[in-house]
Amino acid sequence: NAGVTQTPKFQVLKTGQSMTLQCAQDMNHEYMSWYRQDPGMGLRLIHYSVGAGITDQGEVPNGYNVSRSTTEDFPLRLLSAAPSQTSVYFCASSLQGEEETQYFGPGTRLLVL
Amino acid sequence: SQQGEEDPQALSIQEGENATMNCSYKTSINNLQWYRQNSGRGLVHLILIRSNEREKHSGRLRVTLDTSKKSSSLLITASRAADTASYFCATERGSTLGRLYFGRGTQLTVWP
Repeated sequence: NAGVTQTPKFQVLKTGQSMTLQCAQDMNHEYMSWYRQDPGMGLRLIHYSVGAGITDQGEVPNGYNVSRSTTEDFPLRLLSAAPSQTSVYFCASSLQGEEETQYFGPGTRLLVL
Repeated sequence: SQQGEEDPQALSIQEGENATMNCSYKTSINNLQWYRQNSGRGLVHLILIRSNEREKHSGRLRVTLDTSKKSSSLLITASRAADTASYFCATERGSTLGRLYFGRGTQLTVWP
């Protein structure tokens, strides 16, 4: 299994541009999440999905959209990039239920100029 | 807002010494998990302790949980240079299964 994969690894955007961060998992996990990590901070939850067709907001959802059309994929869309969205983005997945370990992707480093 | 807060923010020790990191949280939880992050990499799960457990071991790791104080500690015994990483605690609440709330982390440096 490849586990959780994320593309791209690194991206530079100009303010106002849009882009999609890709996340895919091949473990048949129901739960998928997007986090952002800023310097000196832990991870903060952006959006969350418990299965195909079901998404919900996390702690910091503003400026981001998600959809979950398949179990495997959970893309994160930046509608109009802002410098405040400069961060490292991590996707994670886990099985349904309590006390399930989350598996993290390697991250996407985003710089918004 | 962050759920957990780790203490200390940074810890520097010699190989062979023990490393202790603490985590405090604010609300009731289902479980508390510890993750490790090597520089520039994703997070890796280390250990999970349920809210009804007080202590758990895994190899050189020992985790304690005190729900009355809303705190947890992670002990790494006989540390190695390869243990150098950031360590994060994360809590899962009963109302939001599958969602984790992370602290800011402890940066551990182990010198050879």
